[in-house]
Amino acid sequence: KAGVTQTPRYLIKTRGQQVTLSCSPISGHRSVSWYQQTPGQGLQFLFEYFSETQRNKGNFPGRFSGRQFSNSRSEMNVSTLELGDSALYLCASSLEVGAREKLFFGSGTQLSVL
Amino acid sequence: AQSVTQLGSHVSVSEGALVLLRCNYSSSVPPYLFWYVQYPNQGLQLLLKYTTGATLVKGINGFEAEFKKSETSFHLTKPSAHMSDAAEYFCAVSGSGGYQKVTFGTGTKLQVIP
Repeated sequence: KAGVTQTPRYLIKTRGQQVTLSCSPISGHRSVSWYQQTPGQGLQFLFEYFSETQRNKGNFPGRFSGRQFSNSRSEMNVSTLELGDSALYLCASSLEVGAREKLFFGSGTQLSVL
Repeated sequence: AQSVTQLGSHVSVSEGALVLLRCNYSSSVPPYLFWYVQYPNQGLQLLLKYTTGATLVKGINGFEAEFKKSETSFHLTKPSAHMSDAAEYFCAVSGSGGYQKVTFGTGTKLQVIP
């Protein structure tokens, strides 16, 4: 069974641009969560989607948005990029939404904003 | 709201020595607690989790953790460190029930010295 797939693996953008990251969950998983990982900050929760609906949202500005498609694949978008958006963006999938569910993580997309 | 504090961003142990990674949590509701491990250039993978029941939880690769409500702690231990244990470890907490997001700590990098 294929794991969580995130594309692209690396991205380099300049300030002011926008970017779209993609996440394909494990087959059969219906919940997708997104996290931003930076050194010293750990993982910061962005949002969680289940059945194409956003179920939870973290404390990020509106420049960060996401969506989930009917096949459970998810995308997140960051508009008007800032230098501080440079980070590893991790996607995680789980069978269902819920606190006790095991999260399966992808390898992430490393975003560099110049 | 839930939060976790991981004491020590870097921990070094000798091969064969005891591994102890500390995690304290804060939660307004009964918590679910997790430990995840991240190897270089990879996503996170679940080591173990506590939801309900037995407070001593055994995970993969010989790791275990004990939920101590009175101390609000969930420390991760392994009796004998192996070189392959070198990685970054994240403690996480979630409130039980409903659409509860998983909140991660800032991580502890474990170095194993031969």
